[in-house]
Formats: sequence, structure tokens, C-alpha cells
Amino acid sequence: GAGVSQSPRYKVAKRGQDVALRCDPISGHVSLFWYQQALGQGPEFLTYFQNEAQLDKSGLPSDRFFAERPEGSVSTLKIQRTQQEDSAVYLCASSSEGTLLVYEQYFGPGTRLTVT
Amino acid sequence: GNSVTQMEGPVTLSEEAFLTINCTYTATGYPSLFWYVQYPGEGLQLLLKATKADDKGSNKGFEATYRKETTSFHLEKGSVQVSDSAVYFCALDSGGGADGLTFGKGTHLIIQP
Repeated sequence: GAGVSQSPRYKVAKRGQDVALRCDPISGHVSLFWYQQALGQGPEFLTYFQNEAQLDKSGLPSDRFFAERPEGSVSTLKIQRTQQEDSAVYLCASSSEGTLLVYEQYFGPGTRLTVT
Repeated sequence: GNSVTQMEGPVTLSEEAFLTINCTYTATGYPSLFWYVQYPGEGLQLLLKATKADDKGSNKGFEATYRKETTSFHLEKGSVQVSDSAVYFCALDSGGGADGLTFGKGTHLIIQP
């Protein structure tokens, strides 16, 4: 079956622009995660959804970052008034299990955001 | 807070050499431990995992043992191939899934023929 897909794969934004990054998880997966990966670093957790509920957004770096998953499937990560420090690869992952269970996260290919 | 430390790269080895990539962690409770791999041009893939102390995860000839006493999860392979060239990430999950994975910075492995 299809894996996790993300679009666009590459995005160039001028400083101050708003961007929206899309994630299509594996069909039926309950959990969805967003991560930010700076160049040469490991991914860092941003936010977590279980179905449509955003259960943890403690990793979002500022109130310019907003994520939603209104119908419990596709998710969008929005960044308002982009800054150069937002340049990174944004990864989405999904999992078939909810909390309290050991599970495997399946990662998408990422969206590389460059803010100029 | 949680953290993962893994050896700096790049690590360059000849084909058929023995591989060790060190990983140590700091976490509350009893985390699950993972190794993810990212091949050139591809997304992150789970390589292996261990959920409790003394568990050994294994896959594709790679192994790692969950050592609680040394808070380590070192990745090993007896004989590497050129196709093993990739970036390897050690990660932990201490929240049962609710707070995502905590990753190390990654180790770039280069295998020369």
C-alpha cells in the first residue's frame, strides 16, 4: 500500500510569507506526528495528533506554527510570517497505534523549506 | 529531559569491516529504543527496536542490545556492505507514543569498496 506522502517536496518562501505543508498518512493510521529536521541534525518533535485531537503541541517553536488534522486523516502544518530560522526539512510520520503501546512510526519523505 | 547522544560522523569503513555506532541516552522511566536509517534520497526507515532492558533488536544483519545499566543501545554489524552507506539515527520513546521520538544527531556511514 501507499506510504506516508508529503507535499510539496520543496518550498521556497520569502521571509514573512505564510506556508502550508501537507501530510497524507497511511490510511487508517491513528497517530500522526510532525518533526522539524535542521541541516545536519536529527529530527525534533513538533506536535502529535491522535485522530483529529492534537494531544501534544509542546514542540512547536512559536505561535507562528500551527497544525491541524480536522477529519483525522490529512494534516496540515502552517507557518505564518516565515523567518530564516524556519528553514529545515519538515517530516511527517504516522502510526497505527494510539498511545501507551509500542509502535512503529512510518515517515514521509519530508518537505524541504527554504526561507530567503 | 530526554536526550540521545551518538557518535559523530562521518564514519568511513572498508567493505566487510565490523561496524559499531555508539548510542547512549538519558530518559525518565523505561524508554523504548530505536535505530532509524536514512538512505540517500529516501525517508527515514525503522531499522530495529528494543522495548525493554536486555532486549536485542536485529534486522538486515544489524543488532543492538538495550543496556539499562550503561544506558546504551550501540548498533553493530559484523560485515558491512557498500549498500549500508546511509545516515543512522538512534532514538527513544519514553512517553508511550504521546510525545514523539527523541533523536540523536545522526551518524553518516560511508562504506568504501
